[in-house]
Amino acid sequence: AQTVTQSQPEMSVQEAETVTLSCTYDTSESDYYLFWYKQPPSRQMILVIRQEAYKQQNATENRFSVNFQKAAKSFSLKISDSQLGDAAMYFCAYRSPYGGSQGNLIFGKGTKLSVKP
Amino acid sequence: ETGVTQTPRHLVMGMTNKKSLKCEQHLGHNAMYWYKQSAKKPLELMFVYSLEERVENNSVPSRFSPECPNSSHLFLHLHTLQPEDSALYLCASSQGLSGIQYFGAGTRLSVL
Repeated sequence: AQTVTQSQPEMSVQEAETVTLSCTYDTSESDYYLFWYKQPPSRQMILVIRQEAYKQQNATENRFSVNFQKAAKSFSLKISDSQLGDAAMYFCAYRSPYGGSQGNLIFGKGTKLSVKP
Repeated sequence: ETGVTQTPRHLVMGMTNKKSLKCEQHLGHNAMYWYKQSAKKPLELMFVYSLEERVENNSVPSRFSPECPNSSHLFLHLHTLQPEDSALYLCASSQGLSGIQYFGAGTRLSVL
């Protein structure tokens, strides 16, 4: 069974600085999807970025980018020019490409990010 | 606003009460999900509906009873809950079971 591990329960960053959140996963599949979701205090889980394992190029969405290391099974999220609104819980998630129950999202425990003004 | 609305936002109930959580999606999706989010634990998938048919029941106790009357609405009926059922219950929807999941803001449930 696949597992997702986020080893940093809490992180802190100064406004305008850069921070990297770590995520590792375990799978025997060669193709899959990886996600970072953000959950601010409003509780709405928002998709930040998505990576397809067959793509070698790292996904980027504005100030958010990932460092996808397939061999190491690592999927870290880099937030550049951090803003106060980035403060939230961040969840890493894995999904098999297959349908049915195999395609369910598997989440890590999350990393709480604080942004200092 | 992501197009997935959950009501109520907060719910306090006694162990003998019966209540229902409601989820509505305005995204035209055909799959809907219930998740349980407890403190310091990963999100736990509870139920999955695809085209209004339940396709996943993740060993959830029978005191939780889902209902999907159409592709836009999903309910979670609650009865005889336990204090350990206190958690944030999140609803999500996607286009197909392999589509990106979009979440609601959840219902914070407290069982006294």
